[in-house]
Amino acid sequence: ETGVTQTPRHLVMGMTNKKSLKCEQHLGHNAMYWYKQSAKKPLELMFVYNFKEQTENNSVPSRFSPECPNSSHLFLHLHTLQPEDSALYLCASSQAGGRDGYTFGSGTRLTVV
Amino acid sequence: QKEVEQNSGPLSVPEGAIASLNCTYSDRGSQSFFWYRQYSGKSPELIMFIYSNGDKEDGRFTAQLNKASQYVSLLIRDSQPSDSATYLCAVAYNTDKLIFGTGTRLQVFP
Repeated sequence: ETGVTQTPRHLVMGMTNKKSLKCEQHLGHNAMYWYKQSAKKPLELMFVYNFKEQTENNSVPSRFSPECPNSSHLFLHLHTLQPEDSALYLCASSQAGGRDGYTFGSGTRLTVV
Repeated sequence: QKEVEQNSGPLSVPEGAIASLNCTYSDRGSQSFFWYRQYSGKSPELIMFIYSNGDKEDGRFTAQLNKASQYVSLLIRDSQPSDSATYLCAVAYNTDKLIFGTGTRLQVFP
């Protein structure tokens, strides 16, 4: 495996379900990010982790719960989502400081029904 | 509210022409600037980054930065149909937080 890997690629869930998105990076980076991409909107930064510590929570509703057990793995736990949460969820990683830019995973296309 | 503005397009150029993509940003303290390419249904891919005023060239791509005008641009020379994609401008503030524009859709026609 190389780069940033996200699973699953597609997810359909009901509003009462609980699911998790997984991200793994094989680049030796020490910062990881969750972004949300909706149609006609810019990428929205959700969470930032530096050296496993959360350094940013961009006013994200509590129905989204991140977890970063180590610098290579990042999860996004989902529960009681709303249809408007349907979007592409992108994980990214970088060296701390992000000076050389981010590397994105392929994303999880989430549909809430 | 820190913002990054891009014209959504589409920008249509003929094959072989120069495509010029523009971006403005609101935060004067921004230090790092990035261009990403995103094909339909795919994730963003980093093309170039620039930190200093002036031009930076990499193959067919040239990034231009003017901090006084808060303006970043990307030039694509000898455009190819395979360059057809959405180009995202991103600006870094507070070290590692990237703020993205909505992207400009580029169409290169044969």
